Amino acid sequence: KQEVTQIPAALSVPEGENLVLNCSFTDSAIYNLQWFRQDPGKGLTSLLLIQSSQREQTSGRLNASLDKSSGRSTLYIAASQPGDSATYLCAVTGNTPLVFGKGTRLSVIA
Amino acid sequence: NAGVTQTPKFRVLKTGQSMTLLCAQDMNHEYMYWYRQDPGMGLRLIHYSVGEGTTAKGEVPDGYNVSRLKKQNFLLGLESAAPSQTSVYFCASSYSLDLPAFFGPGTRLTVL
Repeated sequence: KQEVTQIPAALSVPEGENLVLNCSFTDSAIYNLQWFRQDPGKGLTSLLLIQSSQREQTSGRLNASLDKSSGRSTLYIAASQPGDSATYLCAVTGNTPLVFGKGTRLSVIA
Repeated sequence: NAGVTQTPKFRVLKTGQSMTLLCAQDMNHEYMYWYRQDPGMGLRLIHYSVGEGTTAKGEVPDGYNVSRLKKQNFLLGLESAAPSQTSVYFCASSYSLDLPAFFGPGTRLTVL
């Protein structure tokens, strides 16, 4: 059974810092890994999707990497802003639909 | 395009009542999913569908039924609601398992 773990559970940083969120998964037989953002009381917004054959994806200040063999992914956020405050969720798809981690709650302090 | 929509947005039920949550997507996606999100538990898959007329069980299917009579709609039913079903329910859809999934805004359900 696929299990996804996200560390840390919560993170507070001053504005302008670069930061890394971590995601690990137990079964390396995945199709892809997806990072989502969730604001309080809202739905999920897809940020980046990395196919199993890819090593990384970039969108603006966000960069996600994937090391399938070790079962790890990182989401790098450059020059963090208060508007980045949200919960970030990692999820993997294999021969079953998305399996989610419990998320990292990020607070960026102005 | 509306993307993925969910009806209703909020609902309060009494124990034993029944209700149906509706999910609709206008992206012609084959796959549709129902998840529940609970504090400390993350999102867990209830049921999913790989095409019109198909359904499959996820991680936490007990107490729920689903139907996919039309490609664009995926219904989640609670026949006899229990307080343990108090949660936020999210619907999602995708073309296939290896392509991005898009989520609806959620339905907040409270069972008293």
